[in-house]
Amino acid sequence: KQEVTQIPAALSVPEGENLVLNCSFTDSAIYNLQWFRQDPGKGLTSLLLIQSSQREQTSGRLNASLDKSSGRSTLYIAASQPGDSATYLCAVITGNQFYFGTGTSLTVIP
Amino acid sequence: NAGVMQNPRHLVRRRGQEARLRCSPMKGHSHVYWYRQLPEEGLKFMVYLQKENIIDESGMPKERFSAEFPKEGPSILRIQQVVRGDSAAYFCASSPLSGGRIDTQYFGPGTRLTVL
Repeated sequence: KQEVTQIPAALSVPEGENLVLNCSFTDSAIYNLQWFRQDPGKGLTSLLLIQSSQREQTSGRLNASLDKSSGRSTLYIAASQPGDSATYLCAVITGNQFYFGTGTSLTVIP
Repeated sequence: NAGVMQNPRHLVRRRGQEARLRCSPMKGHSHVYWYRQLPEEGLKFMVYLQKENIIDESGMPKERFSAEFPKEGPSILRIQQVVRGDSAAYFCASSPLSGGRIDTQYFGPGTRLTVL
């Protein structure tokens, strides 16, 4: 069974810092991997989708990498802003299902 | 094109009552997924439905929970005789794709169920 782990569980950084969020998964037979943002009391917003054949995707200040063989993905956020404060979820698709990590709660301090 | 809609956004029930959660997929999407997010836990898959069919319900609790996606109208997640442990956020997602492969799911804002 696929298990997805995110480290750290919580992270607090001053505004302007670059930061990395980590995601690991136990079964490398994934279809794709997706990073989401979840704001308190709200739904999920898709940030980046990486197909299993890809190694990274970029969108603005966000860069996500994927290393299937080691079962790892990272989400790099450049020049963090207070508006980036949210919970970031990593999810892998194996078979027909999404498997989510428990998330990293990010606080960017002005 | 409106996104995935869920209602109600917040639902309060007393133990033993029934909870009905509704999900309207994006226009043109005929695949619906339900997830549950318990406090301090990640989202967990519950059920995958296509119009009038349950495709995968491997994540559904065996008792008290049921789901449907009729030919007309929204998908419904029904919880009978709710207990405090059912308190969670329930998210619905929809996808336009068929064949059991999921490229992109679009998530609704969720329904937060509180059982008193």
